[in-house]
Amino acid sequence: NAGVTQTPKFRVLKTGQSMTLLCAQDMNHEYMYWYRQDPGMGLRLIHYSVGEGTTAKGEVPDGYNVSRLKKQNFLLGLESAAPSQTSVYFCASSWTDQETQYFGPGTRLLVL
Amino acid sequence: DQQVKQNSPSLSVQEGRISILNCDYTNSMFDYFLWYKKYPAEGPTFLISISSIKDKNEDGRFTVFLNKSAKHLSLHIVPSQPGDSAVYFCAASAPGTGGGADGLTFGKGTHLIIQP
Repeated sequence: NAGVTQTPKFRVLKTGQSMTLLCAQDMNHEYMYWYRQDPGMGLRLIHYSVGEGTTAKGEVPDGYNVSRLKKQNFLLGLESAAPSQTSVYFCASSWTDQETQYFGPGTRLLVL
Repeated sequence: DQQVKQNSPSLSVQEGRISILNCDYTNSMFDYFLWYKKYPAEGPTFLISISSIKDKNEDGRFTVFLNKSAKHLSLHIVPSQPGDSAVYFCAASAPGTGGGADGLTFGKGTHLIIQP
């Protein structure tokens, strides 16, 4: 039982490049989330999903897209990376919106 | 506008003493509160939670107190141990509307340092 895993752990991008961050959970959770953590800012919600095939915007969605084609996977895409997207990205999952969220280990992204 | 505030960026406590971490919130719709612990280069891990229908929840060395009238919660760690050195995030959630979920609203975190 791996819990929540994230791929890759670290990535360097040039401005304008695209990439996809993968989150996988093996707990059969319905809800999945993408957060970013910046120094002095805590964690901020980017997008979330309440089930397979659904996605919704969070607090800071601009510049990101997401997809939830399979229940266990939640993908975060950057179509044209910008230096402002340099951050640590965390994925989380939960049974419901009132249940504890379980986090992955994070993906550190540097955009030059 | 910050809805969840942790006003102490850092806190230093001697090993064996009590650590008290504080959190204030402004959104009266929040009804579920959590504390997460985070070590460097790791994801946040759940520590303890409390529903708004309670004013106290205890789990071993960790106790969370909720004062709804003051919109304030605190995490008490007794006794503090070296392994407790980490960043602690306070988080809150409101009931989802229309079947949706808004995730958790996090504070900026408090770095707890336990001194030997």
